Amino acid sequence: AQKITQTQPGMFVQEKEAVTLDCTYDTSDQSYGLFWYKQPSSGEMIFLIYQGSYDEQNATEGRYSLNFQKARKSANLVISASQLGDSAMYFCAMRVWISSGSARQLTFGSGTQLTVLP
Amino acid sequence: NAGVTQTPKFQVLKTGQSMTLQCAQDMNHEYMSWYRQDPGMGLRLIHYSVGAGITDQGEVPNGYNVSRSTTEDFPLRLLSAAPSQTSVYFCASSYSPAGANLNTEAFFGQGTRLTVV
Repeated sequence: AQKITQTQPGMFVQEKEAVTLDCTYDTSDQSYGLFWYKQPSSGEMIFLIYQGSYDEQNATEGRYSLNFQKARKSANLVISASQLGDSAMYFCAMRVWISSGSARQLTFGSGTQLTVLP
Repeated sequence: NAGVTQTPKFQVLKTGQSMTLQCAQDMNHEYMSWYRQDPGMGLRLIHYSVGAGITDQGEVPNGYNVSRSTTEDFPLRLLSAAPSQTSVYFCASSYSPAGANLNTEAFFGQGTRLTVV
């Protein structure tokens, strides 16, 4: 079974500072992908960034980067130069590829509520 | 460019009532799934489908039924609503991965806030 753990229920960061949101995962599968989603107070789920288990470089998307440490099974999200609009719930999720040629559905962590302070 | 459309956005049910949450996508995605979101628990998978005519149970399937007669639609039925089913429900869709490339982001609907009294 797959499991995602986010140990920070809430985080605060000062505007323009960088912040790291932790995510650890557990799977015995070799092929998997890690995703981060943002959920603002309006409720929609917004895809931020993806990292594949075989990707040698850490993924980056604008101000978002993923600090992928495969041996430690961690996939932390780094947000640089925080903005007030970054205040939201952030979810880490994982999808594994199974040998039958398909993939499992996304498994989510419990989320981290980020508050950016002016 | 609708993406994933969920209806209704809000619903209040009495215990024991049944209802169907609708989900439709216009992106020709093979994968569709239903999640429920509860405080402190993230999103938990209820049921999913990897193509028309194929459905399977997720982590928390009890009390829910699904069917997938077309690629576009994936309704979720609550058979006899219970207060424990008070939650926010999300429908999501994605392409099926090409081989082991799992970079297939899930697109989510706007969610349905369901209250069972």
